[in-house]
Amino acid sequence: GAVVSQHPSWVICKSGTSVKIECRSLDFQATTMFWYRQFPKQSLMLMATSNEGSKATYEQGVEKDKFLINHASLTLSTLTVTSAHPEDSSFYICSALAPLPATDTQYFGPGTRLTVL
Amino acid sequence: KQEVTQIPAALSVPEGENLVLNCSFTDSAIYNLQWFRQDPGKGLTSLLLIQSSQREQTSGRLNASLDKSSGRSTLYIAASQPGDSATYLCAVGSSNTGKLIFGQGTTLQVKP
Repeated sequence: GAVVSQHPSWVICKSGTSVKIECRSLDFQATTMFWYRQFPKQSLMLMATSNEGSKATYEQGVEKDKFLINHASLTLSTLTVTSAHPEDSSFYICSALAPLPATDTQYFGPGTRLTVL
Repeated sequence: KQEVTQIPAALSVPEGENLVLNCSFTDSAIYNLQWFRQDPGKGLTSLLLIQSSQREQTSGRLNASLDKSSGRSTLYIAASQPGDSATYLCAVGSSNTGKLIFGQGTTLQVKP
């Protein structure tokens, strides 16, 4: 099956710094990727939809100036957590929509564990 | 606003048992419904995808059903194995945009 990777798999940073997380579709081109956040013992919450070549669409309550998303190519989307604070500590997961004809299929990355001290 | 609920939150069964995981959703106007598996600290693996026009899907020991009118889906796992231990997530797609609304998940433990 298709593979989506994330880098880094985990990161620890100091409060106030920025962290960039990469999401790559390794063997297919994805015009649409999604970013989710998962707090401990909770489910995935959609943060934003990332479309190649255009601005991301953010879900209600997600600060677009804090969570910067760039989908610069058909295989790469990045999420930058700016001025991170301890409450941003979470598990961030991306997914990529499969290309035609299987566009209902999403492939998920392995996740990135962010810890802000 | 679509809400997805999964019951039970946790389940522990002995190896070999057949079991049913439940998922309910509040808005029956769905595009599709998917079941995923998540191992601790890992990403998601897609198990089954049911389109809104379908009633069920099967893959090996897994069978998922969909009843849109009642807002319910079930995931049936036959002859459970310790390797089935994981969190199972139900997710509803409300359109063809790919956006998914997830339930809280059911954490399954299958004891040898």
